[in-house]
Amino acid sequence: NAGVTQTPKFQVLKTGQSMTLQCAQDMNHNSMYWYRQDPGMGLRLIYYSASEGTTDKGEVPNGYNVSRLNKREFSLRLESAAPSQTSVYFCASSGTDRSTREQFFGPGTRLTVL
Amino acid sequence: QKEVEQNSGPLSVPEGAIASLNCTYSDRGSQSFFWYRQYSGKSPELIMFIYSNGDKEDGRFTAQLNKASQYVSLLIRDSQPSDSATYLCAVNSDYKLSFGAGTTVTVRA
Repeated sequence: NAGVTQTPKFQVLKTGQSMTLQCAQDMNHNSMYWYRQDPGMGLRLIYYSASEGTTDKGEVPNGYNVSRLNKREFSLRLESAAPSQTSVYFCASSGTDRSTREQFFGPGTRLTVL
Repeated sequence: QKEVEQNSGPLSVPEGAIASLNCTYSDRGSQSFFWYRQYSGKSPELIMFIYSNGDKEDGRFTAQLNKASQYVSLLIRDSQPSDSATYLCAVNSDYKLSFGAGTTVTVRA
């Protein structure tokens, strides 16, 4: 099992360009998440999908959109990239076991917006 | 107000010593608590979770939870250079995890 995979691993954009970050999981998890991580700020939730067909805003959703394409895939789109969106982006997934809610993370996408 | 606070680092400990990491949280309804380890340039990986008051031990790691005080901690015994990493505290609320900013631990030989 690959777990959680993300593409691309690295990306450089110019201000105003758009792009989509892809995420897929093969653990049959219902819930998927997108985070950004900036130095000294930990992980901040951008959007999440508790189950297929639903998406909800997290702590920092402005400037982003998401699509839960199917149970396996959850994509994050930047419509008009800004330098403030330079960050490391992590996708994660979790099962529906209410007692744990452990999240498994992908390897991350390192995005630079010039 | 930040929901999850961790003791500020960096924390430097000699090899073989105990590293003590602390975390407080604001949501009294939180039911499960996680410690993730993150090596530089890598993604977070789960090392412990706990959801009952008291201690939970796993090898050299011990997690402690006190819901009344809204406090969770992680002890790393017999610290090794391979334990040098950033440790993230995470608190579950419904489907979401809230993360602290992390504490960076350096184990010096």
